[in-house]
Amino acid sequence: DAGVIQSPRHEVTEMGQEVTLRCKPISGHDYLFWYRQTMMRGLELLIYFNNNVPIDDSGMPEDRFSAKMPNASFSTLKIQPSEPRDSAVYFCASSRSKRYEQYFGPGTRLTVT
Amino acid sequence: AQKVTQAQTEISVVEKEDVTLDCVYETRDTTYYLFWYKQPPSGELVFLIRRNSFDEQNEISGRYSWNFQKSTSSFNFTITASQVVDSAVYFCALHNAGNMLTFGGGTRLMVKP
Repeated sequence: DAGVIQSPRHEVTEMGQEVTLRCKPISGHDYLFWYRQTMMRGLELLIYFNNNVPIDDSGMPEDRFSAKMPNASFSTLKIQPSEPRDSAVYFCASSRSKRYEQYFGPGTRLTVT
Repeated sequence: AQKVTQAQTEISVVEKEDVTLDCVYETRDTTYYLFWYKQPPSGELVFLIRRNSFDEQNEISGRYSWNFQKSTSSFNFTITASQVVDSAVYFCALHNAGNMLTFGGGTRLMVKP
């Protein structure tokens, strides 16, 4: 079975540019999560969806970040405009239920110069 | 509030040694779930084990074993006869009702040949 798929794997962009990260969850998983990982802050939950509906976005740092899930097999995380402090690895994960294990994608390493 | 503490930030061992990674958690709930994830140098997060709060049986999977003790709020992970391929960052995580997954800060394990 295919795992969680993320694209791109690496993204380098200049400050002020729009960045879009993409995620395809595991088929049949009703929950989708976006995380950010940095050395300073570790793993942070940004937002999660249940059945394509955003449930909790309290971890989204500011209005420059937005996430959508138009259907059960696709989600995007957008940063507009990007800033150097957004540089991090962004992970997407999916699970069957909140209480079940989450399966993570390979991550997108974002560098904003 | 819930919290996960991994006091050991870095551990270095020589191949074939046994090593235990500590995890202490805090939660007021009686029903909760504990997890361990592995993050090898390649960066992806790999699910290792899930445990619910009502099951205190220790678990063994090959060279891996987990010791769950509610009395001390600990969920420790032991690798027997460590190998270089075990080198990774290991995360302990907690999920309880009303909250999402909370990760510990991680323990970096270095296994030297």
